[in-house]
Amino acid sequence: SYELTQPPSVSVSPGQTASITCSGDKLGDKDASWYQQKPGQSPVLVIYQDSKRPSGIPERFSGSNSGNTATLTISGTQPMDEADYYCQAWDGSTAGFGGGTKLTVL
Amino acid sequence: QLQLQESGPGLLKPSETLSCTCAVSGGSISSQGHYWGWIRQPPGKGLEWIGGIYYSGNIYYNPPLKGRVTISIDRPKNLFSLKLTSVTAADTAVYYCARITLDRGILNWFDPWGQGTLVTVSS
Repeated sequence: SYELTQPPSVSVSPGQTASITCSGDKLGDKDASWYQQKPGQSPVLVIYQDSKRPSGIPERFSGSNSGNTATLTISGTQPMDEADYYCQAWDGSTAGFGGGTKLTVL
Repeated sequence: QLQLQESGPGLLKPSETLSCTCAVSGGSISSQGHYWGWIRQPPGKGLEWIGGIYYSGNIYYNPPLKGRVTISIDRPKNLFSLKLTSVTAADTAVYYCARITLDRGILNWFDPWGQGTLVTVSS
């Protein structure tokens, strides 16, 4: 499967900006998606095609993708944003997920 | 609103076959432009893609699991299924189903996801 690398954890203060990176071979040539997962819940799509937000996802969530790195940015982070975040991309017909980043808002 | 609902065996013994089903409601499994996928998550760990199927029967599997996995689709019942043979404790996980959107003919994002079904492999 396609290997994607994320930092295990990121910490941010409420109201500040959190950035979570995802690295993979030629990732910038692919479409990257991001998922938020809170404890005991299913993953929820928050960014698709690098930077698009699904309906219902707050504007503070944004994304970018270039070179070998995709980045999820949360501006004005709120306590409710504390969760695990996973990046995902396809290498042909094989999907890869990053190992996940635990975002702590403290 | 499209919804997916998994069902599974709960508890299995090593060497048995895991069978899970994903029932789709609020939309047709035969819609063009979407694959239907399975993803699993061991307790406390990350997500692993298992495979996906198109309404026409075209299937993609994750290579590490390819020899043990079968995904099938039942269009009249609007559901798709997963079978995983010769399970071990390493197959203990929450099994999710999700819709995969095709964009410009390219496999893309997973949305929505089902609520997941926990399958435990233990003797």
